[in-house]
Amino acid sequence: NAGVTQTPKFQVLKTGQSMTLQCAQDMNHNSMYWYRQDPGMGLRLIYYSASEGTTDKGEVPNGYNVSRLNKREFSLRLESAAPSQTSVYFCASSEAGYEQYFGPGTRLTVT
Amino acid sequence: QKEVEQNSGPLSVPEGAIASLNCTYSDRGSQSFFWYRQYSGKSPELIMSIYSNGDKEDGRFTAQLNKASQYVSLLIRDSQPSDSATYLCAVMGGNKLVFGAGTILRVKS
Repeated sequence: NAGVTQTPKFQVLKTGQSMTLQCAQDMNHNSMYWYRQDPGMGLRLIYYSASEGTTDKGEVPNGYNVSRLNKREFSLRLESAAPSQTSVYFCASSEAGYEQYFGPGTRLTVT
Repeated sequence: QKEVEQNSGPLSVPEGAIASLNCTYSDRGSQSFFWYRQYSGKSPELIMSIYSNGDKEDGRFTAQLNKASQYVSLLIRDSQPSDSATYLCAVMGGNKLVFGAGTILRVKS
């Protein structure tokens, strides 16, 4: 089992460009999450999906949109990238209330 | 006020010693508690989960939970240089996991 996979691993964008970060899990989990991690700030929840067909905002949703494509896949879209969105992005999955398992992350730089 | 508080460290311990990492949380209704280890440039890796008061042991790791004091700790026995990493405390609030900023642990050989 691959667990949680993310693509791409690295990305450089110019201000105003758009992109989609992809996440997939093969653990048959119902819940999936997107976090960003910045130095000194810890992990902050952007959006989550408690189950297929539902999505909810987390702590820092502004500037992002998500799509729960099916039970396996949860994507994060930046419509108009800003330098403040330079960060490391992690996707995670879990059964509700239990341990979350993380993907390898995407390092995004916006210039 | 942050919901999950950890001392940022670094905490330095000699090889073979016990490392003690602490975490406090603000939501009295929290039921699930987790410790993650994160090496530099890598993703968080789950090392312990604890759901009830008391101690839970797994190899060299022991998690301790005191809900009355809203306190969670992680003990690492016989610390090794490979344990050097950032340790993240996470607390389940509702259906969302809230993370502390992490404690940097350095094990000196």
